[in-house]
Amino acid sequence: EIVLTQSPATLSLSPGERATLSCRASQSVGSYLAWYQQKPGQAPRLLIYDASNRATGIPARFSGSGSGTDFTLTISSLEPEDSALYYCQQRSNWPPLTFGGGTKVEIK
Amino acid sequence: QVQLVESGGGVVQPGRSLRLSCGASGFTFSSYGMHWVRQAPGKGLEWVAHISLDGSDEYYADSVKGRFTISRDNPKNTLYLQMNSLRGEDTAVYYCAKERGDYADFRSWGQGTLVTVSS
Repeated sequence: EIVLTQSPATLSLSPGERATLSCRASQSVGSYLAWYQQKPGQAPRLLIYDASNRATGIPARFSGSGSGTDFTLTISSLEPEDSALYYCQQRSNWPPLTFGGGTKVEIK
Repeated sequence: QVQLVESGGGVVQPGRSLRLSCGASGFTFSSYGMHWVRQAPGKGLEWVAHISLDGSDEYYADSVKGRFTISRDNPKNTLYLQMNSLRGEDTAVYYCAKERGDYADFRSWGQGTLVTVSS
């Protein structure tokens, strides 16, 4: 099973600042990594697929990078509505599909 | 537009059974693999099960293998999750999710249905 480790657990930043979220895989997942945003009481929303491709309708301030075992989700200029939990997920080697433990982004 | 609507959640005693349904619309249901993903209260996302577009292949998380069964009725555009021998640790919001094309990540999710296992 591929284990995904996200860091930091919580990120507290001000509007307009840059957020950098990390996801590290226990073995290579190639580029088969997705990022999701989840707000309280809502289903997850796909932000990025295949490491760096923005999903339809996702603002350009969200970008993904990385390959192999190290991946980054960057929010270039935080908006208040970006306050949420963010999860990474790999589809390289499954079953099982696995998700990271999540990073909480708080807007000061 | 794609719509996935789960139903069937509720409170159930340990050891009992429950069947979840997920009604699909806005896309050709029979052309996509489908999954169940769950989220325990205050916890992260956990993949539960997958079924191929024609129902010929099924995969399960070890935590539910032998207790849960995923199935689908393509003419009815409905996905199911039969949950037997329920345990407290199965308490979660259960989401159905549609694969993105042929790929096992998820652009489309239902709103979720809460299953609470408690005596």
